[in-house]
Amino acid sequence: GAVVSQHPSWVICKSGTSVKIECRSLDFQATTMFWYRQFPKQSLMLMATSNEGSKATYEQGVEKDKFLINHASLTLSTLTVTSAHPEDSSFYICSSKGENTNEQFFGPGTRLTVL
Amino acid sequence: GNSVTQMEGPVTLSEEAFLTINCTYTATGYPSLFWYVQYPGEGLQLLLKATKADDKGSNKGFEATYRKETTSFHLEKGSVQVSDSAVYFCALSVGANSKLTFGKGITLSVRP
Repeated sequence: GAVVSQHPSWVICKSGTSVKIECRSLDFQATTMFWYRQFPKQSLMLMATSNEGSKATYEQGVEKDKFLINHASLTLSTLTVTSAHPEDSSFYICSSKGENTNEQFFGPGTRLTVL
Repeated sequence: GNSVTQMEGPVTLSEEAFLTINCTYTATGYPSLFWYVQYPGEGLQLLLKATKADDKGSNKGFEATYRKETTSFHLEKGSVQVSDSAVYFCALSVGANSKLTFGKGITLSVRP
């Protein structure tokens, strides 16, 4: 299957700072990328869907001004957690989908800890 | 709305044991059903899928049958191996937007 990477794999930051997480599709063009959040022992919750060159579509209850998503190219999407607080600590996972398939390919995730 | 319910875990089995992981769903519309696996330190990978009632998805010795009458998609394997130790997620999607709704996941540990 296709390869999707995330960077960093883990990050610790102070409360009030912003953190950027990158998601890259390494060997195919990702027309759509998805961002998920996973709490311990919980399922993955879809946060937003982004299409290359368009604004992201956020799920109900997700603050778009807090979780900034940029999908400027067919191989890169970024999630920026702005003014992070301890309750934002979580595991963030991205996935990518090509134009001619419904299958999503997942990154390994990024563990964010906000102190 | 859409939801996926998986049996509570974790599950610990001996090598060569039979595995069943239950998954039931509710969906508005006609869903496609998936099982994803996450090996330690890696991203989720699609294990198998089924897109219509009575379809059987299979891969790496794992099987799951789309049962519309019981809204279930239970995962089975006749003889597990240590290398099958991972977290398994049941999921569904409805329509063309490919949005996935996941179950909580279940951790499987297989001991030699």
